[in-house]
Amino acid sequence: GAVVSQHPSWVICKSGTSVKIECRSLDFQATTMFWYRQFPKQSLMLMATSNEGSKATYEQGVEKDKFLINHASLTLSTLTVTSAHPEDSSFYICSARDQVGSGINTGELFFGEGSRLTVL
Amino acid sequence: AQSVTQLDSQVPVFEEAPVELRCNYSSSVSVYLFWYVQYPNQGLQLLLKYLSGSTLVKGINGFEAEFNKSQTSFHLRKPSVHISDTAEYFCAVISLAGGTSYGKLTFGQGTILTVHP
Repeated sequence: GAVVSQHPSWVICKSGTSVKIECRSLDFQATTMFWYRQFPKQSLMLMATSNEGSKATYEQGVEKDKFLINHASLTLSTLTVTSAHPEDSSFYICSARDQVGSGINTGELFFGEGSRLTVL
Repeated sequence: AQSVTQLDSQVPVFEEAPVELRCNYSSSVSVYLFWYVQYPNQGLQLLLKYLSGSTLVKGINGFEAEFNKSQTSFHLRKPSVHISDTAEYFCAVISLAGGTSYGKLTFGQGTILTVHP
């Protein structure tokens, strides 16, 4: 299947700093990518939908100024956690849908490996 | 809006025993249904999906699931599990309704399957 890569896999930062997480589709183009957040022992919660060339669509309750999303190309979306605090510590996962023949009918999203953020 | 409920947060089972992980969903419109597996500190891998057609869906690693529209369920089964099946399993749905919900994947709470020797 298609490959989605996230970087970094692990990041530890001090409170107040900003952290950028990259999500790349390695062998396909993705006009839409999704960012999820997963707390320990909990399910994945959709944070936002990243659209290539336009603004991201955020879910209710997600701070747009806190979690900056940039989808600059068909293979790259970035999530920047600004002024990170310990409560932002979490596992962040991105996913992408293969643009070719995707639509909703294939139904399959390809997930990155996840990025674990720890804010001290 | 749609929702997904996985009825068991943890399922312990012995190796080579059968297992069923339960999933119920709620939606006012048609949905597509999925099961994903997550190994520790990794992303998600698709096990199987139901889009239409036969209600019995076969996936990877010997897993299968049956869509039951009247009971709004999509339980995951495997006749004989291995140690390597130990992981967390997520049931998910995609809404086919229009508007902002279209195409969004909603996950259940997850079920941790632990296979003991």
